[in-house]
Amino acid sequence: GAGVSQSPSNKVTEKGKDVELRCDPISGHTALYWYRQSLGQGLEFLIYFQGNSAPDKSGLPSDRFSAERTGGSVSTLTIQRTQQEDSAVYLCASSLGLAARTDTQYFGPGTRLTVL
Amino acid sequence: GQQVMQIPQYQHVQEGEDFTTYCNSSTTLSNIQWYKQRPGGHPVFLIQLVKSGEVKKQKRLTFQFGEAKKNSSLHITATQTTDVGTYFCAGGSNFGNEKLTFGTGTRLTIIP
Repeated sequence: GAGVSQSPSNKVTEKGKDVELRCDPISGHTALYWYRQSLGQGLEFLIYFQGNSAPDKSGLPSDRFSAERTGGSVSTLTIQRTQQEDSAVYLCASSLGLAARTDTQYFGPGTRLTVL
Repeated sequence: GQQVMQIPQYQHVQEGEDFTTYCNSSTTLSNIQWYKQRPGGHPVFLIQLVKSGEVKKQKRLTFQFGEAKKNSSLHITATQTTDVGTYFCAGGSNFGNEKLTFGTGTRLTIIP
């Protein structure tokens, strides 16, 4: 596609429910990143994929958070038993995957998650 | 692990004044990138610096990479309302395949 897309754009859920957030990277980009951004705050790194494997998942806040990537393309971030502190914008980015330390990252529009 | 700090966290300037944000890394970097996030938007890549002491300009924006490749700055001359947003630097490590580490960001607001 022309850019990184994310769905849904907004998600309102009740505390305790599970949610799935989807990211479609730019075609041909082998690296994919998930970040979380609370209101007015910086970018909190969650997990990084190279292809279908995750060399760095050090940012996942708890075992309620998991992510997978299939076919080297689409990625899904799953949050189980959501808590109010999970409310934030979840941003996905992709890059060519030539070298994670120098690649330019292209961000999607984000999914705004609200946990009531 | 690598840490990248930015100062100031917030900056309010009168339209037409200059603005500078500073980025400091705890380790030597292979490169530094700058991104801009408009209010309600997502981060967008601005520029990448690779060489020690490198200076690049984009219209009213001047980007510098320190001689020791541990710090960087972004300077905006004569700010305009379109400059509003949060500016993030992102540093790449010197070895391995670690991902970029994003700085804490500087939020710029313009007083018309």
